[in-house]
Amino acid sequence: AQSVTQLGSHVSVSEGALVLLRCNYSSSVPPYLFWYVQYPNQGLQLLLKYTSAATLVKGINGFEAEFKKSETSFHLTKPSAHMSDAAEYFCAVTPNRGGATNKLIFGTGTLLAVQP
Amino acid sequence: KAGVTQTPRYLIKTRGQQVTLSCSPISGHRSVSWYQQTPGQGLQFLFEYFSETQRNKGNFPGRFSGRQFSNSRSEMNVSTLELGDSALYLCASRKDRYTEAFFGQGTRLTVV
Repeated sequence: AQSVTQLGSHVSVSEGALVLLRCNYSSSVPPYLFWYVQYPNQGLQLLLKYTSAATLVKGINGFEAEFKKSETSFHLTKPSAHMSDAAEYFCAVTPNRGGATNKLIFGTGTLLAVQP
Repeated sequence: KAGVTQTPRYLIKTRGQQVTLSCSPISGHRSVSWYQQTPGQGLQFLFEYFSETQRNKGNFPGRFSGRQFSNSRSEMNVSTLELGDSALYLCASRKDRYTEAFFGQGTRLTVV
């Protein structure tokens, strides 16, 4: 079954430092990949998505992610962290196989803390 | 363009009761999915509806059910509530698998 692994349930960075949040998927057929952010007591907001176009995907708020098929990875990065980036981040996939489904399979999430 | 609307935002119920949650998707989106979010289990897929038909179901007991109406609005129902059903229930609407899912703000259910 398709799965998503996010390494590091908690990541702490200093303001202005690089943010790197890791995501690996398990699938022989590259799925559609998404990163979402969640602020406390809110729903999920899309940061960026990969749907088999360019492998380097740029999203909102300065985030970007690179799809690497050989590593089955889709890590999220931001060159310079801002205090407002503190939130929980989820990597998610939608299987790209035969059969109709729009469901998302989520990783366990990474809580990002930004220190002043 | 209005987003995904979930009602109510907060609910407190007693064990054994039943509850119905509502979700209005973005106009034009025929796919609605429901997710349960808890600190211990994370985000788990409950079910997906497309054009009034349940297309996928997650690994949840039969106490969890849902439906979708002809206007794409969806409801989910949980019967015989248990303490472990306390969670944030999120609804997402989507145009198709190639595009992103848009989430509502969720319904926070507390079972006491």
